Amino acid sequence: DAGITQSPRYKITETGRQVTLMCHQTWSHSYMFWYRQDLGHGLRLIYYSAAADITDKGEVPDGYVVSRSKTENFPLTLESATRSQTSVYFCASTAGSNQPQHFGDGTRLSIL
Amino acid sequence: AQSVAQPEDQVNVAEGNPLTVKCTYSVSGNPYLFWYVQYPNRGLQFLLKYITGDNLVKGSYGFEAEFNKSQTSFHLKKPSALVSDSALYFCAVLPKNNDMRFGAGTRLTVKP
Repeated sequence: DAGITQSPRYKITETGRQVTLMCHQTWSHSYMFWYRQDLGHGLRLIYYSAAADITDKGEVPDGYVVSRSKTENFPLTLESATRSQTSVYFCASTAGSNQPQHFGDGTRLSIL
Repeated sequence: AQSVAQPEDQVNVAEGNPLTVKCTYSVSGNPYLFWYVQYPNRGLQFLLKYITGDNLVKGSYGFEAEFNKSQTSFHLKKPSALVSDSALYFCAVLPKNNDMRFGAGTRLTVKP
């Protein structure tokens, strides 16, 4: 089925470790996004990408790295995880900037 | 600064009664406006959007939203609430770049 999938759904790791969250979409959407969801903050944009090999910072990019070598994939890497990065992470995609975004079901990341 | 406010953390209504979930925004220019709904352990799902034109926008599942430029508001409404409407609702604004800003969310509970 077409859609947007995130993996893993749940992840526990330790501070200082590197962890990569995966996002894959089958619509060939140009735009892809990473958000984190925290109580009281709603969703905050970490990074987005308008096309392959083009990425831009969002509201809260510090501590995160992204890449977009292929249109369908947009991995998010925490190079040295910190407890403050414990959160639920959502990936989204859209065909155009004024079109609705389609969200994955999220990755719940706990950093001990 | 660009921001979105959902002044109510929680809205409780009885089934069959009308519901309103409030949203105000502070964004320069004429942003695009969206409402999304989130069910437990799922990503956000698009409900409706305002780009331009008629101030009353109709969306999925019988929801509608009223855009008021002078009050910079975009309140979500439904004439007759269902128990199945119980969920977390997010208002979002998209300025002319791709930095979507979400409100903190409003938890809607519809009681039978």
